[in-house]
Amino acid sequence: NAGVTQTPKFQVLKTGQSMTLQCAQDMNHEYMSWYRQDPGMGLRLIHYSVGAGITDQGEVPNGYNVSRSTTEDFPLRLLSAAPSQTSVYFCASSSSGVGSNQPQHFGDGTRLSIL
Amino acid sequence: AQSVTQLDSHVSVSEGTPVLLRCNYSSSYSPSLFWYVQHPNKGLQLLLKYTSAATLVKGINGFEAEFKKSETSFHLTKPSAHMSDAAEYFCVVRLTGTASKLTFGTGTRLQVTL
Repeated sequence: NAGVTQTPKFQVLKTGQSMTLQCAQDMNHEYMSWYRQDPGMGLRLIHYSVGAGITDQGEVPNGYNVSRSTTEDFPLRLLSAAPSQTSVYFCASSSSGVGSNQPQHFGDGTRLSIL
Repeated sequence: AQSVTQLDSHVSVSEGTPVLLRCNYSSSYSPSLFWYVQHPNKGLQLLLKYTSAATLVKGINGFEAEFKKSETSFHLTKPSAHMSDAAEYFCVVRLTGTASKLTFGTGTRLQVTL
């Protein structure tokens, strides 16, 4: 089973460049999320989606855009990269249901460096 | 508001000795609590979860955690550490009904020595 697939695994950008981090899941999960992981700070939620066509902001949304045109894909866009966005980015998905306590399934991450 | 505090950023144990990773939480509502493990250059993997059933929760790889409401704690334990347990561990809290909103602790790095 593929689970959650993130591409690319590594990326180096220059300040001001834009790029899209890809995330795809094959588990038919409705919920998908993007997190960033920084040393000593755990994971922080950037954006999330509760289904195709529905997205919302998390804890640290500034500088990032998302869209959810299909159940499977949830790309994260950096509009104009800044050094503060150097981080490891994780995509996660989980099944739907009010009160659901289904676990999050994480991808292996994208390690992004902004010069 | 909800939050989670992992009391130790680093824990070092010898192989074969017990593991204790500490986690305290605060939540205005009945929380769901999770422990995730992250091996180097990998995503997070669920170890175990508490969802208001039994207070002692058993997870994978011999780990378990006990929910103590009076102490607002959810500490992770294992009777005997193995070298393969060396990783970073995250305590996570989620409000019931919000499947997409998790609050992560800052992580505890577990080192296992011979």
